[in-house]
Amino acid sequence: EAQVTQNPRYLITVTGKKLTVTCSQNMNHEYMSWYRQDPGLGLRQIYYSMNVEVTDKGDVPEGYKVSRKEKRNFPLILESPSPNQTSLYFCASSLAISVAYEQYFGPGTRLTVT
Amino acid sequence: AQKVTQAQTEISVVEKEDVTLDCVYETRDTTYYLFWYKQPPSGELVFLIRRNSFDEQNEISGRYSWNFQKSTSSFNFTITASQVVDSAVYFCALSSGGSNYKLTFGKGTLLTVNP
Repeated sequence: EAQVTQNPRYLITVTGKKLTVTCSQNMNHEYMSWYRQDPGLGLRQIYYSMNVEVTDKGDVPEGYKVSRKEKRNFPLILESPSPNQTSLYFCASSLAISVAYEQYFGPGTRLTVT
Repeated sequence: AQKVTQAQTEISVVEKEDVTLDCVYETRDTTYYLFWYKQPPSGELVFLIRRNSFDEQNEISGRYSWNFQKSTSSFNFTITASQVVDSAVYFCALSSGGSNYKLTFGKGTLLTVNP
């Protein structure tokens, strides 16, 4: 089954404790992206990657890191999480960088930072 | 910069009513794509439709229809004969090369369909 998977689905952590949210897709997609969803703000892009070893900042990259060492994986790293990073996170992928392709979303990771 | 506005924060209807969700967008690009996504209470994001800027034909898919009008920069979504299962947050989104193909989302419209 073609899908985007994220782990963990739920995470409660404390301020300053490094964490990684994994994202993997099995569709051989070139383009991958991370979004965060907050009440009243909709979804906002954090980082994106057009292909392996090519990543760039989205609208709200502060406090986050990403890497794209393999085509299928695009982990989101929070080096020192803070309470304002409490949010619902979505990973997404699409076939290529062309705007013609819709993005497929993972199931979401709900992160709480206390 | 591109922007998507969904002016309706919440809409509540009774089952079988028709409902239209509004979406207005802004972009400087001449080539762009518009999307609608559905987010049911379970939380996942479900792709509904994609429309490119050169195709202004309206589209119908079952009870769903979309009205794209470049003259008013709008891409409205109508659900005919709404059902309780249509209850969800609906997001309109815009993507263009000028913004590195990211999806710029509106803030969403919460649709509640009451039995």
